[in-house]
Amino acid sequence: DIQLTQSPSFLSASVGDRVTITCRASHGIDNFLVWYQQKPGRAPKVLIYAASTVQSGVPSRFSGSGFGTEFTLTISSLQPEDFATYYCQQLNSFPRTFGQGTKVEIK
Amino acid sequence: EVQLVESGGTLVQPGGSLRLSCAGSGFSFSNHAMNWVRQAPGKGLEWVSYISVRSSAVYYAESVRGRFTVSRDDAENSLFLQMNSLRDEDTAVYYCARGYSTTHYDTWGQGTLVTVSS
Repeated sequence: DIQLTQSPSFLSASVGDRVTITCRASHGIDNFLVWYQQKPGRAPKVLIYAASTVQSGVPSRFSGSGFGTEFTLTISSLQPEDFATYYCQQLNSFPRTFGQGTKVEIK
Repeated sequence: EVQLVESGGTLVQPGGSLRLSCAGSGFSFSNHAMNWVRQAPGKGLEWVSYISVRSSAVYYAESVRGRFTVSRDDAENSLFLQMNSLRDEDTAVYYCARGYSTTHYDTWGQGTLVTVSS
């Protein structure tokens, strides 16, 4: 099974900060990497797929990069509505797996 | 509007069974692979199961294999998860999610809560 490890697990940031979250895969997954945002009590929402393709309707401050085993999600200027938990997921092979999540909180 | 609505979650005793449903609307249900994902209280997301178009392939997480069965009824635009031999650790919100090609899950339901407890 492919393990995904996100870092950090928790980060405290201010509005306007640039934020980067990393997701490392235990084996190469080409670009089959997705980033989701989840707010309390809500279903996850896709932000980025195929490692770097921004989902329609997602603000341009969100971007993704990476290939193989190392991936990043970047928020260029954190906004109040961005405080949430972020998950990566691999769709390269079964079982599909998620990272453990990164909670972004207000400093 | 593309929509998924789960139902069937409730309180069930350990060892019991439950069947979850997910109704799709606003899209051609038969053209999409479907998935179940769960989230235990205060925990992260866990992928549970996948079913391809025409039910030609199904996959399960190791934690549920042999106890859960995924199925679909394209005529009724519905996805199901039959859960048997339920354990305390199956307590979670269960989401159904639509697969978009092979790249991501683009539509999620609101979730249905399954509580396994005596």
